[in-house]
Amino acid sequence: GIQVEQSPPDLILQEGANSTLRCNFSDSVNNLQWFHQNPWGQLINLFYIPSGTKQNGRLSATTVATERYSLLYISSSQTTDSGVYFCAVERTGGGNKLTFGTGTQLKVEL
Amino acid sequence: GAGVSQSPRYKVTKRGQDVALRCDPISGHVSLYWYRQALGQGPEFLTYFNYEAQQDKSGLPNDRFSAERPEGSISTLTIQRTEQRDSAMYRCASSPGLIFPGSYEQYFGPGTRLTVT
Repeated sequence: GIQVEQSPPDLILQEGANSTLRCNFSDSVNNLQWFHQNPWGQLINLFYIPSGTKQNGRLSATTVATERYSLLYISSSQTTDSGVYFCAVERTGGGNKLTFGTGTQLKVEL
Repeated sequence: GAGVSQSPRYKVTKRGQDVALRCDPISGHVSLYWYRQALGQGPEFLTYFNYEAQQDKSGLPNDRFSAERPEGSISTLTIQRTEQRDSAMYRCASSPGLIFPGSYEQYFGPGTRLTVT
């Protein structure tokens, strides 16, 4: 099956700092989503981004499908950004199922 | 409804009992998915439906697990003769499933935390 690797596995930031999270995948994909799992366990959609660049407030994402990676940028981080960030992909021809990466655990401190 | 809902939110059961987990997808969504999430890991695919038809059940771990969506809306995931290793968060997701950009974006429910004692 498709392999999805995320880096870094853990990240601690001071409030106000910027960060970049990376997702590498091993095969061509039809769908790529970024999620935030908050400390209460909710899985929140951030971006649906199989290719190109999108921005939503302090967050933006870029997927370069031909090079099989995606980046999630968090600017001016806040304590509410804490949690686990997952990248998930749907392999081309693999049916409509998402394969999740191992996640990046982010903690934002005051 | 406004989002995907699941019930119960928490379920504690004794080993050997059967459990049924319910998912109510976003209204009008064609596709419905079940995932299982172990502590500290990302969700793993179990099965999915388009309307009432089960399209892929390759992720179901064994024949104690089954799912149905008889009227193409609400779905039930059933685990028979539960074992301790079945303890996990069970998440449901839905997507519009129509052919236009973004139609396969999946939206997840809050999950059911299953504990088998």
